Amino acid sequence: GDSVTQMEGPVTLSEEAFLTINCTYTATGYPSLFWYVQYPGEGLQLLLKATKADDKGSNKGFEATYRKETTSFHLEKGSVQVSDSAVYFCALSAKNAGNMLTFGGGTRLMVKP
Amino acid sequence: DAGVIQSPRHEVTEMGQEVTLRCKPISGHDYLFWYRQTMMRGLELLIYFNNNVPIDDSGMPEDRFSAKMPNASFSTLKIQPSEPRDSAVYFCASSSSGSSYEQYFGPGTRLTVT
Repeated sequence: GDSVTQMEGPVTLSEEAFLTINCTYTATGYPSLFWYVQYPGEGLQLLLKATKADDKGSNKGFEATYRKETTSFHLEKGSVQVSDSAVYFCALSAKNAGNMLTFGGGTRLMVKP
Repeated sequence: DAGVIQSPRHEVTEMGQEVTLRCKPISGHDYLFWYRQTMMRGLELLIYFNNNVPIDDSGMPEDRFSAKMPNASFSTLKIQPSEPRDSAVYFCASSSSGSSYEQYFGPGTRLTVT
C-alpha cells in the first residue's frame, strides 16, 4: 500500500539556518504530494502542494519539488525563524482513493533565537 | 468562511462514560474525515465519509467507537464506553472533490479520560 517516510525529529536549528526535512514515498501511479504544518495547539494546515512530477510547491519561504525519479518531496527553507517552530507532515493522495491522504509520521522543528 | 468547527475543544470524562465529539465541515465540502493524534501512534485516520456515506471505517479501533453523518453539515464521533487509552486529540477535516485533494482541518478536541 501507499506510504510516506519522513526523517525523525526533533530537528533543532538556530534562527536563519537552512532547513531540509526529507520525505520519500511509495505509491502506485502518480500521487499528489503535500506538506502540512501543525503549530502548537492547532490543527494541521496546508503549507504547499505539487500535483505532478517536477512541480515545485512554495509558500511562506518554504519549497518542495516533486521528484518522481527519487520518489521524494523534501521540504526546504533558506532561513528559518522562531515562528517556524512546529510539526511538519508530508502526505500523498493517490488517484482513485477519494480524497484520502496518507500522512508521514511528522517531524518536529524547533528554532532557537 | 468559518472553517471546520469542532466542539467541544476540551473534554474530560471518567472511564466508562459516553463521549460525543462534534464536527461541522466547510460548507460545500463533500468529504469528511475523522483523525486521532497521540504521541505514541501519531496521526491516525479513523473513518471518512463521502456525501454523508461512510466509505472506509477500517481505522476505527473497536466497537466502542461509532461515527455518523446525518447531513452534509454535521458529523459526530461517539465513544461508549470510554477508556483511558482513548485519551488523544481528535481532528475533523473536510475537503471538496474539486480541490486537488486538499483537506482542511478543524482545531481538534482534546479528550482526557481518567
